[in-house]
Amino acid sequence: QSALTQPAPASGSPGQSITISCTGTSSDVGSYNLVSWYQQHPGKAPKLMIYEGSKRPSGVSNRFSGSKSGNTASLAISGLQAEDEADYYCCSYAGSSTCYVFGTGTKVTVL
Amino acid sequence: QVQLQESGPGLVKPSETLSLTCTVSGASITDYYWSWIRQPPGKGLEWIGYIYYSGSSNYNPSLKSRVTMSVDTPKDQFSLKLNSVTAADTAVYYCARHYYDILTGYYTDAFDMWGQGTMVTVSS
Repeated sequence: QSALTQPAPASGSPGQSITISCTGTSSDVGSYNLVSWYQQHPGKAPKLMIYEGSKRPSGVSNRFSGSKSGNTASLAISGLQAEDEADYYCCSYAGSSTCYVFGTGTKVTVL
Repeated sequence: QVQLQESGPGLVKPSETLSLTCTVSGASITDYYWSWIRQPPGKGLEWIGYIYYSGSSNYNPSLKSRVTMSVDTPKDQFSLKLNSVTAADTAVYYCARHYYDILTGYYTDAFDMWGQGTMVTVSS
């Protein structure tokens, strides 16, 4: 099972919006609405931002939103803030044999 | 406040067994599913496997032949053993909790609580 494909870097100015893609296959992203997104600051553990494609856990800013179309999931960040600068990883359920596959990660820079 | 704490040797010799324990506080280990996830230096995340207190488990197919997970319910701990390690197993190892959505009453396929991570280096 290959890692999900994410763009390497992404950037935006404070206040702008950016979207990060996460491309899988019909065996993972395309088959299940079970994509989650994680934010990871350097040297820290990942933090859950989105689950089941578009749901936000309690405490996560509504500036973060998730969606899916076909084999590609997306994470949108609106009103970019300096604290949003981090690595972002997607993760998809991929069936009972493989279970979970992560994306390659995207480094977000706030200019 | 829920906390997860990984513990174990930071250095393991090639061909030997990597053993880690995750201690859970602030939550009962019987109420959730638990996973191990690793991250090689400068690289992305890789799911290793999950376990439930009943012993039900599932492992990443790429690691399945080398992985064993177990739960110690009285101690609120769960453990990972990875045998026949090589340099490719050098990574930060995280333990994580599967998110339970109280609104739906279902366990989700997401990880909401993570340990701080422990670096394990495989080297002679």
